Amino acid sequence: EAGVTQFPSHSVIEKGQTVTLRCDPISGHDNLYWYRRVMGKEIKFLLHFVKESKQDESGMPNNRFLAERTGGTYSTLKVQPAELEDSGVYFCASSKGLAGGGEQYFGPGTRLTVT
Amino acid sequence: GQSLEQPSEVTAVEGAIVQINCTYQTSGFYGLSWYQQHDGGAPTFLSYNGLDGLEETGRFSSFLSRSDSYGYLLLQELQMKDSASYFCAVRDTGRRALTFGSGTRLQVQP
Repeated sequence: EAGVTQFPSHSVIEKGQTVTLRCDPISGHDNLYWYRRVMGKEIKFLLHFVKESKQDESGMPNNRFLAERTGGTYSTLKVQPAELEDSGVYFCASSKGLAGGGEQYFGPGTRLTVT
Repeated sequence: GQSLEQPSEVTAVEGAIVQINCTYQTSGFYGLSWYQQHDGGAPTFLSYNGLDGLEETGRFSSFLSRSDSYGYLLLQELQMKDSASYFCAVRDTGRRALTFGSGTRLQVQP
């Protein structure tokens, strides 16, 4: 079974530019999550999809961040325009619909550097 | 709000046992998870406690006391490959989002 994949693995952009991150969850996982780790701090939740619907977007920092999950499969996270403080590692995770505990499967992350 | 506290660093020798503690404050606690992350890698699920008590998975065990808002991860027979960061994470009732602690960096020495 293939794990969660993310693309790109690294991205370096200038302040004010746009970047789109992609996540492909494990096949059959209805739940998809975005997290980020900024400047070595703790991993912070951004949002949660159930299939194509946003279930919880309480962690989205501001309206420069837009997440979509087309058809309930892969997801994209767009940052527009990027700011310096957006630099960090963006993780995607997925879990099955009836997972009762805290088991989420994480991707390798996208390291975003805004200069 | 939610907050978790865990030690920033722990050092131990190969073959030893180490315990990483985690205390949490949250409004609607559902469960406590533990994740391992090697440098540059993805967080990997280790263990989950929804009820009080001990959960054992091979060399790793996790404990939860809901009344004390406290849990720990126990790693036995330490190996060099166990050198990594370990995160506790809470899940609240009604949500699937995880709130992570700041992580404990474990260094295993020969």
